[in-house]
Amino acid sequence: DTAVSQTPKYLVTQMGNDKSIKCEQNLGHDTMYWYKQDSKKFLKIMFSYNNKELIINETVPNRFSPKSPDKAHLNLHINSLELGDSAVYFCASSQRGLNYGYTFGSGTRLTVV
Amino acid sequence: DQQVKQNSPSLSVQEGRISILNCDYTNSMFDYFLWYKKYPAEGPTFLISISSIKDKNEDGRFTVFLNKSAKHLSLHIVPSQPGDSAVYFCAARETGANNLFFGTGTRLTVIP
Repeated sequence: DTAVSQTPKYLVTQMGNDKSIKCEQNLGHDTMYWYKQDSKKFLKIMFSYNNKELIINETVPNRFSPKSPDKAHLNLHINSLELGDSAVYFCASSQRGLNYGYTFGSGTRLTVV
Repeated sequence: DQQVKQNSPSLSVQEGRISILNCDYTNSMFDYFLWYKKYPAEGPTFLISISSIKDKNEDGRFTVFLNKSAKHLSLHIVPSQPGDSAVYFCAARETGANNLFFGTGTRLTVIP
């Protein structure tokens, strides 16, 4: 029983394409996140989504759009992919008031060629 | 601007010895700190945490120390085991916030 699952695990695509990464959590958590781990291994938050409130990191290009059909899902859609988008993207979830931080998915390695 | 810093990208330790991983932060609003462990091709997993009202938290072989005046925390693993070989991320959270700020990680290698 995977707590936070992401699909696909690997994604190779050409510049200019549009792609989506899916994330689902079965923990009943109320907040979900997308993080990007770049080539320097820096984990940086992109979005957090809690009870239909979306908080966007202002440095994220608007080609990236999170979509949350319900509390258990937060998908990431990327338009017009660029070479610099190549990274590992991690989905995570958390519950307010629980002090163990996040539960992460296993990551999606995106390679733009 | 990186608010959480792990200045040692790697650390090698002999099995049975102590591993000490360090983390510095700049934001005085951080009140909760966590360590995550990450194996290749997996997401980070929670290891241990500490609130700013404490200066030490221990869980088995893992102990986290917090020095608020120095804005520094450290993770001690004793004794180190080969299975501890992984990348360790330090993370911090502001009062009342959910978002975590992560360091760049330290790769620990425990040599059998």
